[in-house]
Amino acid sequence: KQEVTQIPAALSVPEGENLVLNCSFTDSAIYNLQWFRQDPGKGLTSLLLIQSSQREQTSGRLNASLDKSSGRSTLYIAASQPGDSATYLCAVGLKAAGNKLTFGGGTRVLVKP
Amino acid sequence: NAGVTQTPKFQVLKTGQSMTLQCAQDMNHEYMSWYRQDPGMGLRLIHYSVGAGITDQGEVPNGYNVSRSTTEDFPLRLLSAAPSQTSVYFCASTTSGTKTQYFGPGTRLLVL
Repeated sequence: KQEVTQIPAALSVPEGENLVLNCSFTDSAIYNLQWFRQDPGKGLTSLLLIQSSQREQTSGRLNASLDKSSGRSTLYIAASQPGDSATYLCAVGLKAAGNKLTFGGGTRVLVKP
Repeated sequence: NAGVTQTPKFQVLKTGQSMTLQCAQDMNHEYMSWYRQDPGMGLRLIHYSVGAGITDQGEVPNGYNVSRSTTEDFPLRLLSAAPSQTSVYFCASTTSGTKTQYFGPGTRLLVL
């Protein structure tokens, strides 16, 4: 059974510092990996999706890497801002119909002004 | 596009009552899913559908029923609510192409 872990569970950084969020998974036979952002009381917003054949994806200040062999993905957020404060979730998609997702527990980020 | 919509936003039920959580998407996505989010447990898949008329169980299906009569709608039915079903429920949809998942705003359910 696929298990997804995100450490640390919470992170606090001063504004301007780069954020590094980690995600690990136990089964390397994944279809894709997706990073989400969740604000308190809200739904999930997709940030980046990395296909299993890719090594990284970038969008603005966000960069996500994927190393299937070691079962790891890292989300980098450059020059953090208070508006980046949220919970970040990674989810692994299975190679099956419907792209069922297995989620990590999330990392709660606070960027202090 | 409204994206993925869910109703109601919040609901209180008594143990044993039944209800239906509504989910609709206007993006013509083939795949739709229901997840529940609990503190310390993350999001877990309840049921999913790969197209109208086709549904299957996820990780935690007990106590829930689904059907998919149209591409747009994917309602989740609680047959006899239990306190263990107190949670936040999210509906999601995606396509066979991009596989990017789009989530609704969630339904908060409290079962007393």
